[in-house]
Amino acid sequence: AQSVTQPDIHITVSEGASLELRCNYSYGATPYLFWYVQSPGQGLQLLLKYFSGDTLVQGIKGFEAEFKRSQSSFNLRKPSVHWSDAAEYFCAVGANNNNDMRFGAGTRLTVKP
Amino acid sequence: GAGVSQSPSNKVTEKGKDVELRCDPISGHTALYWYRQSLGQGLEFLIYFQGNSAPDKSGLPSDRFSAERTGGSVSTLTIQRTQQEDSAVYLCASSLEVGGGDTQYFGPGTRLTVL
Repeated sequence: AQSVTQPDIHITVSEGASLELRCNYSYGATPYLFWYVQSPGQGLQLLLKYFSGDTLVQGIKGFEAEFKRSQSSFNLRKPSVHWSDAAEYFCAVGANNNNDMRFGAGTRLTVKP
Repeated sequence: GAGVSQSPSNKVTEKGKDVELRCDPISGHTALYWYRQSLGQGLEFLIYFQGNSAPDKSGLPSDRFSAERTGGSVSTLTIQRTQQEDSAVYLCASSLEVGGGDTQYFGPGTRLTVL
């Protein structure tokens, strides 16, 4: 089955700085890749997803992610972080031969004023 | 409805009691998923439904956990004889179809505390 690793448990960035959250997956074929965000006390909201085609995916709230097959990565980026981006971010991988999605452990983002 | 809803939002129970958690998916979504999120952990997949059937129950942590779905809509997750390690946020999600690539839409979760 597929699996996901988010190497960074907690990241702190200053407001206005750029952001990159790392995600590495394990799966033998082309995966389906997702980034979700969870604000405190809220459910998960989909930021973006990759199925096929262009490896640079644009999402909501100014986020983007790039699928790199050679590195088995799907890192999330934002050029300029806003205080409202403080939340928990989850990377997830789905597969075309099973029906469960595997989530990483999450990266908690803190934004400094 | 507009989104996935779950009830109750919070549940505090005593060890050994049974609890029922409810999920109301987005209308028309055939697939429904249950996850558990423990403090500081990622999401642990529990079970999914395709219509009213659950093809794979191997993600359920123990035989104290069971789930059902009726009418292709509402689902309940039941935990019998709750233990303190069952304390977590239980998240429900639904998607239009079953499949690894279909986007799952999540509810706000039920926070379960077992004293």
